[in-house]
Amino acid sequence: SSELTQDPAVSVALGQTVRITCQGDSLRSFFASWYQQKPGQAPVLVIYGKNNRPSGIPDRFSGSDSENTASLTITGAQAEDEADYYCNSRDSSGKYRVFGGGTKLTVL
Amino acid sequence: QVQLQQWGAGLLKPSETLSLTCTVYGGSFRGYYWTWIRQPPRKGLEWIAEINHSGSTSYNPSLKSRVTISVDTSKNQFSLKLSSVTAADTAVYYCARGSYTSSSGDAFDIWGQGTMVTVS
Repeated sequence: SSELTQDPAVSVALGQTVRITCQGDSLRSFFASWYQQKPGQAPVLVIYGKNNRPSGIPDRFSGSDSENTASLTITGAQAEDEADYYCNSRDSSGKYRVFGGGTKLTVL
Repeated sequence: QVQLQQWGAGLLKPSETLSLTCTVYGGSFRGYYWTWIRQPPRKGLEWIAEINHSGSTSYNPSLKSRVTISVDTSKNQFSLKLSSVTAADTAVYYCARGSYTSSSGDAFDIWGQGTMVTVS
């Protein structure tokens, strides 16, 4: 089992706002990063650190954190945002990387 | 623009050793940690191991006894070996570039194209 917990599936209506969460004790000490993965493709980094977006990632993607929870918010979800989303951080020891189980986002 | 190109055998028999290599094009090898991540069919991502340019390594405890990661800075390459494979090791294997800063934490910002490895 993963030390980072994500809801398996979330849905959002086109143009609405959705929050995808990642919970784990290690998030009290370490930042999370977020990855979008579409079928048959490699994951793509969308958010890292407090709320940093790599070049080319739309500004509708944002990140936040509170205590043991990191969140990825998509404001005004688009059809092309339908994908699996994974959080990543360190384990409770801080020595190893760990991924959340992933959240399948459906845009209705 | 930094790119990662990976290759290796895609079909193995049980008990054989998986071997993959990733070449870094267009960027510095220093200052990053070079990582292997895998994804079994229809499942999530699993971090396997990482190495930096000086050879300092870290391994997933659940795989540590079977995994070796190495680096060849003269070729801008890093490699993964996983011994005694079973069907449970069937997955897409990705190489990735990891970066860390105290202000932003960790991030895997560049990924290879993935290699499907089947153990059968």
